[in-house]
Amino acid sequence: ILNVEQSPQSLHVQEGDSTNFTCSFPSSNFYALHWYRWETAKSPEALFVMTLNGDEKKKGRISATLNTKEGYSYLYIKGSQPEDSATYLCALSNSNSGYALNFGKGTSLLVTP
Amino acid sequence: DTEVTQTPKHLVMGMTNKKSLKCEQHMGHRAMYWYKQKAKKPPELMFVYSYEKLSINESVPSRFSPECPNSSLLNLHLHALQPEDSALYLCASSHRQGAGGYTFGSGTRLTVV
Repeated sequence: ILNVEQSPQSLHVQEGDSTNFTCSFPSSNFYALHWYRWETAKSPEALFVMTLNGDEKKKGRISATLNTKEGYSYLYIKGSQPEDSATYLCALSNSNSGYALNFGKGTSLLVTP
Repeated sequence: DTEVTQTPKHLVMGMTNKKSLKCEQHMGHRAMYWYKQKAKKPPELMFVYSYEKLSINESVPSRFSPECPNSSLLNLHLHALQPEDSALYLCASSHRQGAGGYTFGSGTRLTVV
């Protein structure tokens, strides 16, 4: 089992605020880093799959960066909206895990109007 | 069809019962996964099937028995479970093991009484 750490554990922001979360992971044998958005009673929704050091991806107001050498990824949300409220999970795959995903505990985001 | 369908959505079973969880996808994905998720913890990998063959078994107790009868179906047979096995069981699929994003089902909420 790979040690994937996410911080903060939870976050409460006002509508319109920008926010970011951190995912840290062991950098050895890195293969891919995934970000998911998970709303209660729904399926986890894939946001990004990142494989290259220095990669930066964007989807609407959400973006993510990746540093495989130091083992961290940031997820940014610009101008948070109440519908962004969810748990954001990061997951690592590498050769040690047979390329299966190992998840962090997630960051629970609440955006209030 | 871009979904992973899990049935049932909820299941209550006694410790002497035998039941099965089902997972189905028609996206042509050749890797399928079972994860177990308990409250306030990250999803934990249980099993990986790659091209209908068991690829990874994360030391899961034998009271959980996976089966992949064809490339679209993944079952999890349950027998003699314990109350501590109560959890959300998530199924996921991907094009190949470790390749690309995973598509998750919405899970089966299992309660063992």
